[in-house]
Amino acid sequence: EVQLVESGGGLVQPGGSLRLSCAASGFTFSNYWMSWVRQAPGKGLEWVANVKQDGSERYYVDSVKGRFTISRDNAKNSLYLLMNSLRVEDTAVYYCARPRETFGVDPFDYWGQGTLVTVSS
Amino acid sequence: QSALTQPRSVSGSPGQSVAISCTGTSSDVGRYDYVSWYQQHPGKAPKLMIYDVSKRPSGVPDRFSGSKSGNTASLTISGLQAEDEADYYCCSYAGSRTLIFGGGTKLTVL
Repeated sequence: EVQLVESGGGLVQPGGSLRLSCAASGFTFSNYWMSWVRQAPGKGLEWVANVKQDGSERYYVDSVKGRFTISRDNAKNSLYLLMNSLRVEDTAVYYCARPRETFGVDPFDYWGQGTLVTVSS
Repeated sequence: QSALTQPRSVSGSPGQSVAISCTGTSSDVGRYDYVSWYQQHPGKAPKLMIYDVSKRPSGVPDRFSGSKSGNTASLTISGLQAEDEADYYCCSYAGSRTLIFGGGTKLTVL
């Protein structure tokens, strides 16, 4: 059974940092692009970043470029999101998501349960 | 990278059909046949309902269908059921391995 379990969310002050983790199981993690998608309270979904199977390519939404870094450790079946210079508008539930096919970046057929990041003073 | 445009809400009675539109640009929806639709119930993770404009994952009822014309994609739900009440999001490939979601549509089953 495919499982994605996020962790690392919490309350952080503006300008602070946080690292999210996503533990994957039930599939060959190293075969898939992986993504982070976020959802601000009461708002819609926003794709944040993705990373290629071997970590050699990484892409970001403009609003997080230079502040967030996506990475992965295939030996640990884990995906990460390092978030620096956090802003109030980064407050959201962050989901880890896996695409249907190994050759594509989407669509996402598996999602984690999400981890809440709250940026507030 | 502005969000794709969806109506904020739509509604229909049980058994009726509703359509949800998703308007992008010639750089995303209009350029690629990689539009997907997600259903999200409150407090739950999104669920993939349609991908590649009109394909249904296994287990998704054939009451759900997708289409695209120009820069606008559409999700149609026929034979509305109470459990279809949820938020729906479109998503399009936008080139260079990036994705863009719509703002979401709240479907109310009357």
